[in-house]
Amino acid sequence: AQSVTQLGSHVSVSEGALVLLRCNYSSSVPPYLFWYVQYPNQGLQLLLKYTSAATLVKGINGFEAEFKKSETSFHLTKPSAHMSDAAEYFCAVSEGTGFQKLVFGTGTRLLVSP
Amino acid sequence: EAGVAQSPRYKIIEKRQSVAFWCNPISGHATLYWYQQILGQGPKLLIQFQNNGVVDDSQLPKDRFSAERLKGVDSTLKIQPAKLEDSAVYLCASSLESAANYGYTFGSGTRLTVV
Repeated sequence: AQSVTQLGSHVSVSEGALVLLRCNYSSSVPPYLFWYVQYPNQGLQLLLKYTSAATLVKGINGFEAEFKKSETSFHLTKPSAHMSDAAEYFCAVSEGTGFQKLVFGTGTRLLVSP
Repeated sequence: EAGVAQSPRYKIIEKRQSVAFWCNPISGHATLYWYQQILGQGPKLLIQFQNNGVVDDSQLPKDRFSAERLKGVDSTLKIQPAKLEDSAVYLCASSLESAANYGYTFGSGTRLTVV
């Protein structure tokens, strides 16, 4: 079964600082990988996805992620954090052939201080 | 395009009571998912429908949970009887097809508290 590991349940940064949220996956085949963001009392919103095209994927709100097969990683970055980026971030990997589903990590809460 | 609609937004029930959640996916989306998100954890798939057929319910506690998707559109998820550990947010998502590259759209969820 596919799985993802998100290192760090909480990450704290100052406004304007680099954001780095880590995700490592385990997959026996080339995976599809996703990052979702969840604001309080809301559902999950897709930030970006990797579907075996370019290894550097750009998403919404200035976020991007790089697929590194040698490191089995798909870390999420943003050059400069905004207060509005404070939320929970989930990494997910697709699983299954034919009928696919998403398997999520445990999430990382991003805290942004002024 | 209207999003995935879920109701109710919040529900508080006593243990051993029953509860039902409703989901209306995006029009034309063939695939519908119910996820359970316990506080501090990532969402866990409970059941996946393709049109009105179940394609994966391996993690659905079938002794107390049931779900249906009549006519391949709306879906309901029921818990009977509820336990304290069922307290969670129940998320519904839909997708044009089940292939992951289509992406999933999530609803806002139903927060269930069992007391």
